[in-house]
Amino acid sequence: LAKTTQPISMDSYEGQEVNITCSHNNIATNDYITWYQQFPSQGPRFIIQGYKTKVTNEVASLFIPADRKSSTLSLPRVSLSDTAVYYCLVGSSGAGSYQLTFGKGTKLSVIP
Amino acid sequence: KAGVTQTPRYLIKTRGQQVTLSCSPISGHRSVSWYQQTPGQGLQFLFEYFSETQRNKGNFPGRFSGRQFSNSRSEMNVSTLELGDSALYLCASSSSGDFYEQYFGPGTRLTVT
Repeated sequence: LAKTTQPISMDSYEGQEVNITCSHNNIATNDYITWYQQFPSQGPRFIIQGYKTKVTNEVASLFIPADRKSSTLSLPRVSLSDTAVYYCLVGSSGAGSYQLTFGKGTKLSVIP
Repeated sequence: KAGVTQTPRYLIKTRGQQVTLSCSPISGHRSVSWYQQTPGQGLQFLFEYFSETQRNKGNFPGRFSGRQFSNSRSEMNVSTLELGDSALYLCASSSSGDFYEQYFGPGTRLTVT
């Protein structure tokens, strides 16, 4: 079961790029890496998912090195509305083999 | 398309009682997963249902159970409530059982006194 480690909190100024790293040393071959964002009193919201190298969508980029033992979520030019908790999720699906491990989450505070 | 809905949103129960929470997934989604979120333990996976069958299960005691109906709606039951069961219970659905992109509901806040 892949265990994940993330920084507990991070601060950033508006307009800056933010990089949040998640460590998952025991990641399995079938595991994917997914990041979620959660605002207070809401359920988590899917941001991005990847298996290796780099993935980019309209809101974020995900960098995964060749050994896949870590991953970095990159948020370009953050705004106040990006203040939230970000979770790294490592796991694989399939009947009987659902292995999901959420990290403790990183609380990102964006400062004006 | 309507999102994942959960009822009730808030619930207060007494230790020893049982509780049933309900989740309606996004239309067309066949997989429903349940999570428990607490300040101390974070977000923990309870179980996942796909086409009315429990396909995966996390490490929770047997007091936690669930089921899924033919319309994909799901219920979660907790029997013999303990104070430590106080938490936000989140339901998430996905289209083909692929957990990678799940859509979460707003959660049910359960308080056990």
